[in-house]
Amino acid sequence: NAGVTQTPKFQVLKTGQSMTLQCAQDMNHNSMYWYRQDPGMGLRLIYYSASEGTTDKGEVPNGYNVSRLNKREFSLRLESAAPSQTSVYFCASSGQGYGSPLHFGNGTRLTVT
Amino acid sequence: GEDVEQSLFLSVREGDSSVINCTYTDSSSTYLYWYKQEPGAGLQLLTYIFSNMDMKQDQRLTVLLNKKDKHLSLRIADTQTGDSAIYFCAESNSSASKIIFGSGTRLSIRP
Repeated sequence: NAGVTQTPKFQVLKTGQSMTLQCAQDMNHNSMYWYRQDPGMGLRLIYYSASEGTTDKGEVPNGYNVSRLNKREFSLRLESAAPSQTSVYFCASSGQGYGSPLHFGNGTRLTVT
Repeated sequence: GEDVEQSLFLSVREGDSSVINCTYTDSSSTYLYWYKQEPGAGLQLLTYIFSNMDMKQDQRLTVLLNKKDKHLSLRIADTQTGDSAIYFCAESNSSASKIIFGSGTRLSIRP
């Protein structure tokens, strides 16, 4: 059982380049999330998808777009990368019902130069 | 908005107990969680507690909740080197579909 799988694990971009971070879960979870983790700031929610076909902004959505391709997959796109987007990005999923705990992927470490 | 606060660092001697503290502001919090993050990995759920409980014990872990003071703590008994990690406190409530995280406490173990 793979859980939550993120690709790539590492990426270096130049300012202005675009890229898509991929995430897939095999737990049949309804909800999926994208967080970024920066030193001393914990995890901040970028976007989430409560169910297939819906997406909502989180705390720090500017500069990002998301697609909930199907129940399994939730991608995060940076259209024009900026150095401020250098971070570690985590995808997570959770099951039915409020309070269901999050299951995390291992993260994508992104550096924008 | 909702906020969750933790101290950034804690150092304990191997074999002692570790106590990691957390405060939160949302008075309607329903669930409170502790997650562990080891280097290079994602967060893993350690334990969680419902707001109508004041204590939960699971092997070496004890969670205490003081709902009046909005204070949550995680006690790790007999701390081992494998407990070195960042520990995140988090909360959610029934009206929100998201979980709010604290900034994490880095636990280091000295011999």
